[in-house]
Amino acid sequence: AQRVTQPEKLLSVFKGAPVELKCNYSYSGSPELFWYVQYSRQRLQLLLRHISRESIKGFTADLNKGETSFHLKKPFAQEEDSAMYYCALRGGSEKLVFGKGTKLTVNP
Amino acid sequence: ETGVTQSPTHLIKTRGQQVTLRCSSQSGHNTVSWYQQALGQGPQFIFQYYREEENGRGNFPPRFSGLQFPNYSSELNVNALELDDSALYLCASSLPGTDSPEAFFGQGTRLTVV
Repeated sequence: AQRVTQPEKLLSVFKGAPVELKCNYSYSGSPELFWYVQYSRQRLQLLLRHISRESIKGFTADLNKGETSFHLKKPFAQEEDSAMYYCALRGGSEKLVFGKGTKLTVNP
Repeated sequence: ETGVTQSPTHLIKTRGQQVTLRCSSQSGHNTVSWYQQALGQGPQFIFQYYREEENGRGNFPPRFSGLQFPNYSSELNVNALELDDSALYLCASSLPGTDSPEAFFGQGTRLTVV
């Protein structure tokens, strides 16, 4: 079975502090992992994917197959990072399996 | 290049009725997926259409059905609506065959069943 777990429903940090949004997955094969973000009143959009190994808006995520994790990190959070973040997995088909999401609030 | 558009944006229906939601895919995308997002949950896969054929289905009953048209736009039909069908319905289009294809989402249709 394919499953994505985001253990934190809410995460609150101060501006300039490091932030880490956790994501664990369950999949027996080699998954594709994604982070999607939804800013207030905007549509769901791709933030980054593990295959690209890139940093977007200062965020990075490393796929750890041993720990089956794909945590999202940013060293210095900004107020504009406040949003809903969803971790998603794609394994063996085109469908995406999403976690329940983490609401990140960056306080001034 | 136009993005994914969905209509209507909001809809209120009565239990037992039928509803049709519409989605226009991003230009050039031949694959459309539908997701249901209940309050406080992540999107849940309903089904996917590729070149007018259903190409995968999630754990939803047969009263959830769909269509894809030659221009790759799509419809989601739900019969015999139940209160639990109240949710945000998202459409996403993509172009398979590329390296880890990105799914582009629409703004969604908010369905309320009363």
